[in-house]
Amino acid sequence: AQKITQTQPGMFVQEKEAVTLDCTYDTSDQSYGLFWYKQPSSGEMIFLIYQGSYDEQNATEGRYSLNFQKARKSANLVISASQLGDSAMYFCAMRELTGNQFYFGTGTSLTVIP
Amino acid sequence: KAGVTQTPRYLIKTRGQQVTLSCSPISGHRSVSWYQQTPGQGLQFLFEYFSETQRNKGNFPGRFSGRQFSNSRSEMNVSTLELGDSALYLCASSFLAGFSGANVLTFGAGSRLTVL
Repeated sequence: AQKITQTQPGMFVQEKEAVTLDCTYDTSDQSYGLFWYKQPSSGEMIFLIYQGSYDEQNATEGRYSLNFQKARKSANLVISASQLGDSAMYFCAMRELTGNQFYFGTGTSLTVIP
Repeated sequence: KAGVTQTPRYLIKTRGQQVTLSCSPISGHRSVSWYQQTPGQGLQFLFEYFSETQRNKGNFPGRFSGRQFSNSRSEMNVSTLELGDSALYLCASSFLAGFSGANVLTFGAGSRLTVL
């Protein structure tokens, strides 16, 4: 089974609007971390936000917030007030306490329309 | 501070050749991991090194190998290249190894390998 599932291959959003990128995960660990990365066309992966499995509050970093629903095993990324520079691939990732590697989803391509 | 530096950024090889890619982590980072990114398979974990020791290895054939030096710089080598090895190879470093909320991976810009 896939550890990380991103079901939206491509998304479009109007500039200044909010957008939600979906991510579900699969783990039997109680301790794990969830991450979102952005990959512009240049190729470099840029860390956006982190959520620990025991964190009770949803993580926020500027315009990024993570909608963490533990029972549903979902960790959706919300980008508020989209900007043209937000156009990129977005990857959800997980690292388990018992594991030594990050698992990445297949990514969602976000295009911000002026 | 300087980010993760990968060299070369682009390279073209032919089938059967071998290639070595280099990664210099952020100063103070002791963990280096490598990923292969292709359009069909996404990001696939290759291996992770910490303090010159390989901690974990992904599901890749023995043609893929790596090492880490005492200054934390890492190299990966692919021998007997195949067309399917064409990919973006990403290196990432972190201060810690293993699970930790603070263990965020910082990626380099990647080395794009084309095998003809």
